[in-house]
Amino acid sequence: DQQVKQNSPSLSVQEGRISILNCDYTNSMFDYFLWYKKYPAEGPTFLISISSIKDKNEDGRFTVFLNKSAKHLSLHIVPSQPGDSAVYFCAASGGAQKLVFGQGTRLTINP
Amino acid sequence: NAGVTQTPKFQVLKTGQSMTLQCAQDMNHNSMYWYRQDPGMGLRLIYYSASEGTTDKGEVPNGYNVSRLNKREFSLRLESAAPSQTSVYFCASSEVRHLGGNEQFFGPGTRLTVL
Repeated sequence: DQQVKQNSPSLSVQEGRISILNCDYTNSMFDYFLWYKKYPAEGPTFLISISSIKDKNEDGRFTVFLNKSAKHLSLHIVPSQPGDSAVYFCAASGGAQKLVFGQGTRLTINP
Repeated sequence: NAGVTQTPKFQVLKTGQSMTLQCAQDMNHNSMYWYRQDPGMGLRLIYYSASEGTTDKGEVPNGYNVSRLNKREFSLRLESAAPSQTSVYFCASSEVRHLGGNEQFFGPGTRLTVL
């Protein structure tokens, strides 16, 4: 049973436009959510996170939105840059140390 | 400050062979993790260690063993490798905060092929 789902395996966006990556979860016990970015042949790197007590968190060009009633979170990247091309994973945890990851979305930024 | 390091970077094994993947972190984190990444599957937790001296199973522990050698090092052992264990393996570490949050820091990965 996939508790964290990223239903779009890939996304293509023009440079300068907004990229929106989506993630759904099923476990209502999750209370902390994270986004990771991964380049080929490298390990994932932490990008941004949000606690369930918030509905929005911003860090520069990156904003994460959390809709608890819909069990949905999204990552907005504005403006998108070529260096943003990577695989993005969302992850969730529920009071414990373990993270549950989604399958990933490959973002391609076109010049 | 190297963060999380993993050795080796690449490995090819024959079915039935054994090997140990090494991981070390220099961030003084209490918790360490082993994941595998397969196409379309995201990262799946194999084993984790909440603190020195403790280890627990994750989502996919079968066929693996782990050792938390000290606070810095956490190794993953394949006793009898199978083709289904062909994957990219990532080690991670974190310091879980009292009020939540578990940003894990990942190593560069080990690409393992079992023939």
